[in-house]
Amino acid sequence: EVQLVESGGDLVEPGGSLTLSCAGSGFTFSHAYMTWVRQAPGKGLEWVGRIKSKGEGGTTDYGEPVKGRFTISRDDSKNTLYLHMNSLKTEDTAAYYCTWVSRWGRRADYYYYMDVWGKGTTVTVSS
Amino acid sequence: DIQMTQSPSSLSASVGDRVTITCRASQSISTYLNWYQQKPGKAPKLLMYAASSLQSGVPSRFSGSGSGTDFTLTITSVQPEDFATYYCQQSYSFPRTFGQGAKLEIK
Repeated sequence: EVQLVESGGDLVEPGGSLTLSCAGSGFTFSHAYMTWVRQAPGKGLEWVGRIKSKGEGGTTDYGEPVKGRFTISRDDSKNTLYLHMNSLKTEDTAAYYCTWVSRWGRRADYYYYMDVWGKGTTVTVSS
Repeated sequence: DIQMTQSPSSLSASVGDRVTITCRASQSISTYLNWYQQKPGKAPKLLMYAASSLQSGVPSRFSGSGSGTDFTLTITSVQPEDFATYYCQQSYSFPRTFGQGAKLEIK
């Protein structure tokens, strides 16, 4: 069974830093594209960013609100995804979910979708 | 960025009703459209990808259609476990974007 377990959520002051982790199991983590999605209290879903597998370059993409402040990385030897968050703002308060991205179709025409989600970890930015 | 707009934002239905939720993209996204269901306090769950492909294990009363800018999610006979919030999401370009959600409540 594919499983994702996030950890590391905490209360942090504005301007502070925090790193979230996501441990994956039940699939070949090193081949997987992974994503972080967040949800502020009572609000909708917001895509944070994505990392490709190292075999396909390991490149990252980010949403505008976090660009330059958040960094996604991975340690395939530990089957773990990370979200390094710096210069935190009160508006970063949210539940953070990691997801396993699946794809379907042909190489030049893949459809990507967030297939499996972790249960989430909560980050609160407040003084 | 591509803006995704869902309508209605909330709707109420009775068990057995047919329900349709609409998602509109601010530019053409072909069929690069996914649907998710989220229940209170839980993580979202994938329902549909590529606009009309049903994820494994999802009941066949769910269906999706559309291409270009206009998409629909239909539940043919709403069941008690379907009362939740539904989100569309485009996978055409980065950054990925979600609709604001459509909350389905019991009438």
